[in-house]
Amino acid sequence: DVKVTQSSRYLVKRTGEKVFLECVQDMDHENMFWYRQDPGLGLRLIYFSYDVKMKEKGDIPEGYSVSREKKERFSLILESASTNQTSMYLCASRIRSGNTIYFGEGSWLTVV
Amino acid sequence: AQSVAQPEDQVNVAEGNPLTVKCTYSVSGNPYLFWYVQYPNRGLQFLLKYITGDNLVKGSYGFEAEFNKSQTSFHLKKPSALVSDSALYFCAVRDGPDKLIFGTGTRLQVFP
Repeated sequence: DVKVTQSSRYLVKRTGEKVFLECVQDMDHENMFWYRQDPGLGLRLIYFSYDVKMKEKGDIPEGYSVSREKKERFSLILESASTNQTSMYLCASRIRSGNTIYFGEGSWLTVV
Repeated sequence: AQSVAQPEDQVNVAEGNPLTVKCTYSVSGNPYLFWYVQYPNRGLQFLLKYITGDNLVKGSYGFEAEFNKSQTSFHLKKPSALVSDSALYFCAVRDGPDKLIFGTGTRLQVFP
C-alpha cells in the first residue's frame, strides 16, 4: 500500500511565525503535491514537484514555499504565517507514469 | 482550462436507496476523471477513475461511475447506500501531465 505521511496532524501557530509542514512518501514516487482544502472551495494546488530540487507553482503559491531535498520528502513552508492561511493542508504523491494521486491524512493548521 | 463542477453541496439519501453524486466536466481533449472520498478528519481516498474504455467504471466500496461524453458528465453511483457511506466526495479531472483539478465537493448524508 502507498503510504503518504504528514507528521503533524494539528498545529496552532501565531501570526508571523515560520511554519514547516512535512510530508514523506514510501513508494519512490517522483511527483509530490501540496493542496489546501477550504469549505466551499474544494482542493486548490499550492505547489508540486516532479523531481528532487524541482518545483512548480500551482494555483495559489502566494505566501508559501516548498523544499524537496530528497525524493521521499516534500516540505511546505509558510515564511510568515497569517490568519488567512488557517486551513487543512493535504500532501499527495504519484508515480510519474501513473494517473492516481495518493493523499496523506492532512494537517490542520490554525493561525492565531 | 480543465474544470469540473459538482452542482450539489449536499445529497441526502435513505439507507438502502440508490445514490447519485453528480459531476460535470469541461476539458479539451479526452478527459481523465477521478472520484475521491474524504471521511471526517481524514485525507482523500481514491475511489475510481475513468481513463478510456468502458463507460461504466467500477471502484471501491461498491461505487461505480458512468462516463457520458455527450452530457460531459461523470456521476458517481451506488445501488444501495449505507450509513457508513456518509462522507465528502470529490470529483477531479487531470490537467496536463501533472495536476488534478478538484471540484468543490459534495457532502453525502445517508440516513438510517
